Amino acid sequence: AQTVTQSQPEMSVQEAETVTLSCTYDTSESDYYLFWYKQPPSRQMILVIRQEAYKQQNATENRFSVNFQKAAKSFSLKISDSQLGDAAMYFCAYYGQNFVFGPGTRLSVLP
Amino acid sequence: NAGVTQTPKFRVLKTGQSMTLLCAQDMNHEYMYWYRQDPGMGLRLIHYSVGEGTTAKGEVPDGYNVSRLKKQNFLLGLESAAPSQTSVYFCASIEDSHGELFFGEGSRLTVL
Repeated sequence: AQTVTQSQPEMSVQEAETVTLSCTYDTSESDYYLFWYKQPPSRQMILVIRQEAYKQQNATENRFSVNFQKAAKSFSLKISDSQLGDAAMYFCAYYGQNFVFGPGTRLSVLP
Repeated sequence: NAGVTQTPKFRVLKTGQSMTLLCAQDMNHEYMYWYRQDPGMGLRLIHYSVGEGTTAKGEVPDGYNVSRLKKQNFLLGLESAAPSQTSVYFCASIEDSHGELFFGEGSRLTVL
């Protein structure tokens, strides 16, 4: 079975600085997708970024980018120019046959 | 554009009571899912459906039942609620097997 690990339960970053959230996964599948979801205090789950495993190029969405290392099964999220609104729980997710979510990383942004 | 709608948003039950959570999506998605979210454990899959009339067990199905009689609706039932089922429940859907997962707003259930 696939597993997703987020080794950082909590992280903090100074406003305008850069922070990287870690995610590793375990799978024997070759075709899959990886996602980062954000959950602010409102509880709504919001898609931040998505990566197809067959693409070598790392996905980027404005201030959010990933470092996808397929051989190492690593999928980290980099947030540049952090803003107060980035404070949330961040979940890494794997999708092959079904979605599997990591336990989450709580990110605090310090003014 | 409603997307994925869950009802009710909040509910308090006594042990042994039954209830049904309703999930409705207006995006004509085939795949629908029910998750529960507990602190430090992320989202765990309870049951899912790959189309109208089909259901399958996920990671934590015990104590729950589901039905998908209509494509747009996915119901999650608790026949005899237990305190261990206190959680936040999320419904989600995707249009195909490789698309974005769209979530409802979540339903907070407390079992006393």
